Amino acid sequence: KAGVTQTPRYLIKTRGQQVTLSCSPISGHRSVSWYQQTPGQGLQFLFEYFSETQRNKGNFPGRFSGRQFSNSRSEMNVSTLELGDSALYLCASSSDPGTGMSEQYFGPGTRLTVT
Amino acid sequence: GESVGLHLPTLSVQEGDNSIINCAYSNSASDYFIWYKQESGKGPQFIIDIRSNMDKRQGQRVTVLLNKTVKHLSLQIAATQPGDSAVYFCAENIRSGGSYIPTFGRGTSLIVHP
Repeated sequence: KAGVTQTPRYLIKTRGQQVTLSCSPISGHRSVSWYQQTPGQGLQFLFEYFSETQRNKGNFPGRFSGRQFSNSRSEMNVSTLELGDSALYLCASSSDPGTGMSEQYFGPGTRLTVT
Repeated sequence: GESVGLHLPTLSVQEGDNSIINCAYSNSASDYFIWYKQESGKGPQFIIDIRSNMDKRQGQRVTVLLNKTVKHLSLQIAATQPGDSAVYFCAENIRSGGSYIPTFGRGTSLIVHP
């Protein structure tokens, strides 16, 4: 079974631009979560989608948004990019039956650099 | 590879030794805990989880201990191997919206010397 895939793997953007990152979960997984990882803040939860609905959201500004499609693929968008948005963005999927307690499988991440 | 953090606590061990990685969590409402391993250039990998109604859980070569009184979690790796070298994170999870909201520790870098 193919793992979680994220595209693109690397991205360079300029301050003020917007960016869309894509995540394809493992086949059959309905839960997709997004995380931001930086040297300064570590790994932080952005949001989680389950069956096309946002189930939880972390403490990030409204510039960060996401969505999930009927095939469970997910995208996240960051508008009006700031230098501090430079990070590794990780996506994870799970076969969560609805309890929230199931193993998450992470993708390799998208490295976003904002200049 | 990807840098997952600067100035992480580091644990250096010899191959074959047992390793113990510790984690203090902050929220007494957290009721689900997970340990992850992250190798350079890769996303985190689930190792083992434990619910708050347990104080110990064992997997293959790994044991997680939970002490809710002092809000402390530990990961024990038996017979550590060079392939265990990685950054290890704990995550505390709070129930919300039918799922959980995770908060991650900063991580510990484990270095295993052959």
